[in-house]
Amino acid sequence: NAGVTQTPKFQVLKTGQSMTLQCAQDMNHEYMSWYRQDPGMGLRLIHYSVGAGITDQGEVPNGYNVSRSTTEDFPLRLLSAAPSQTSVYFCASSTTGGRDEQFFGPGTRLTVL
Amino acid sequence: AQSVTQLDSQVPVFEEAPVELRCNYSSSVSVYLFWYVQYPNQGLQLLLKYLSGSTLVKGINGFEAEFNKSQTSFHLRKPSVHISDTAEYFCAVTSGYSTLTFGKGTMLLVSP
Repeated sequence: NAGVTQTPKFQVLKTGQSMTLQCAQDMNHEYMSWYRQDPGMGLRLIHYSVGAGITDQGEVPNGYNVSRSTTEDFPLRLLSAAPSQTSVYFCASSTTGGRDEQFFGPGTRLTVL
Repeated sequence: AQSVTQLDSQVPVFEEAPVELRCNYSSSVSVYLFWYVQYPNQGLQLLLKYLSGSTLVKGINGFEAEFNKSQTSFHLRKPSVHISDTAEYFCAVTSGYSTLTFGKGTMLLVSP
């Protein structure tokens, strides 16, 4: 099993550009989520999904879109990148939700100039 | 609403010394508590969790934590740390199948 994979590992964008961060898992997990990690802020939830076709907002959803067309994939879209979105982004998956062990991907380090 | 407070942003210790990383939570309902560890340039991995039952929970790498409902705490302990324990540690809480709320993290710095 590859577990949770994320691409790219690093990305530099200019303000206003759009891009998609990819996340995939091969564990047949229903629950997937996106977090951003900033120094001194811990991990903050952006969006999550409890199954294919179902998504919901987390704590900091503004400027991000998600969709879940398959169980395996949960891409995160930045619509118009801003310097405030410079961060490390982690995707995680679990069997059914927050009380289950979350399996994290290796992260994507995004810089917006 | 649920929240987590990790009282120390950094904890420096010498190798083979004991360590305690503090975590307090707030929630209006029953909670499930977790400690995750993040080694440099990696994602997080589960260290241990409390769902129910015994309040003393043992995890990987010799870590343990004690759930104290009256003090709303879930402190992480290890009797003797190694250099390889240098990492950031995150306490997290959920009230069921809802989302997980993380604390801001404690950086454990182990020196020889």
